[in-house]
Amino acid sequence: AQSVSQHNHHVILSEAASLELGCNYSYGGTVNLFWYVQYPGQHLQLLLKYFSGDPLVKGIKGFEAEFIKSKFSFNLRKPSVQWSDTAEYFCAVNADNQGGKLIFGQGTELSVKP
Amino acid sequence: DVKVTQSSRYLVKRTGEKVFLECVQDMDHENMFWYRQDPGLGLRLIYFSYDVKMKEKGDIPEGYSVSREKKERFSLILESASTNQTSMYLCASSWGGAGSQETQYFGPGTRLLVL
Repeated sequence: AQSVSQHNHHVILSEAASLELGCNYSYGGTVNLFWYVQYPGQHLQLLLKYFSGDPLVKGIKGFEAEFIKSKFSFNLRKPSVQWSDTAEYFCAVNADNQGGKLIFGQGTELSVKP
Repeated sequence: DVKVTQSSRYLVKRTGEKVFLECVQDMDHENMFWYRQDPGLGLRLIYFSYDVKMKEKGDIPEGYSVSREKKERFSLILESASTNQTSMYLCASSWGGAGSQETQYFGPGTRLLVL
C-alpha cells in the first residue's frame, strides 16, 4: 500500500532560520502532491500543490517545495521563518491508482521561537 | 472561496450514544470525505463519497457509517460511540467525481470527546 513519511515530528527553529521539512512517498506512478498547514485553532488549508510541469512549486507565505521524482520526495522549504509560521504541516499524496483518496503523512509540528 | 462547514466545533457524548456529524459545502463539489485526525497519526480516511447516495469505505471505516442524501451535505454517523472514537473529525470536499485527484478543501473540524 502507498504510504507517506514525514521524518520530522517536531521541529523547533528561531525566527529567520531556514526551514526544510522532508516528505517521501512510496508509489512509482503518477502522483499529485500537496502540503497543507494547520495553524493553531484553525482549519487545514492548502499551502501549495504539484500536479505537473515545473517541479519547483511556490505557495503562499513564501513557502516552496521541490518534487524530485527519482527520490520520491516533495520537501517543503522556506528561507526565513517567522513566529507566525508556527503550525502543523502535513504532506499528502494523491496517486492515480487510489481512486481520488489522499494519503497523508503523520504531520510535522513546527515551533518558531521569537 | 470554497466553504466547508461542520455543524459543531466541540461535542461531548457518552459511550453508546448515537452521534451525527454534519458537513456542508457550498461549491457544488462532487466529492466529499470524512477523516479523523489523531496526534502522530496524521489524517486517516474514514469514508468518502463521489456522488449523491454513493459511499466508499476509506482506511478505517469500522464503527462508522455515512449518509449523502444531497450533493452539498455529507453526514458521519457513529452508531454507538466508544471512547476510542474520541478524536478530531475533519470533513473535506473536492471537484471531479470518482478518481479525481483535485485539491481537497477542509472544514474547521469537530473535536469529539466520548466519555
